[in-house]
Amino acid sequence: DTGVSQNPRHKITKRGQNVTFRCDPISEHNRLYWYRQTLGQGPEFLTYFQNEAQLEKSRLLSDRFSAERPKGSFSTLEIQRTEQGDSAMYLCASSSGTGGWEQYFGPGTRLTVT
Amino acid sequence: DQQVKQNSPSLSVQEGRISILNCDYTNSMFDYFLWYKKYPAEGPTFLISISSIKDKNEDGRFTVFLNKSAKHLSLHIVPSQPGDSAVYFCAASGLGGSYIPTFGRGTSLIVHP
Repeated sequence: DTGVSQNPRHKITKRGQNVTFRCDPISEHNRLYWYRQTLGQGPEFLTYFQNEAQLEKSRLLSDRFSAERPKGSFSTLEIQRTEQGDSAMYLCASSSGTGGWEQYFGPGTRLTVT
Repeated sequence: DQQVKQNSPSLSVQEGRISILNCDYTNSMFDYFLWYKKYPAEGPTFLISISSIKDKNEDGRFTVFLNKSAKHLSLHIVPSQPGDSAVYFCAASGLGGSYIPTFGRGTSLIVHP
């Protein structure tokens, strides 16, 4: 069990550029979540996958955001035409969906839009 | 509209003493509650949870208490250690939200040696 990994750990981009983040969940976990966290706030839910199906999306997830989880393994989160307000920590978490409902988080990707 | 509130942004405690972190929620559909700990530059780490059918859950130095009528839960750390210094997030989930947790804003705990 290597835990949840996220790449890159840091990303600096110019406004208007597209960025893509990757998340590799714990291998036996079928549920995968994306969150965004800004300073002084807790993680805010963005979207959730069970296996390859995207089951829920938050109102926070504008049309510029898209997430995929092909084959129910790793997931990518893409932000198109980035804005300065997109600057945040993007967290990925996974869970087994059985027993307890606790999620296991990755270290996050820090996005800075200049 | 904050459904999970942690009204104390910070808490300072002496090593060996008890740390009590508080959390209030407003949504009566929440029936599962979790605490996470976060160190700088790391993602949150699951600490302890409690179902609404219980009013207490204990794991080593960590105990979570749930008062459903008051919609209040608390995390007790006894005895507190300097390594406990971190940001603690309370989270709540329920069937109405597909068990996707809603997080509070966190409380920064500092344990002084």
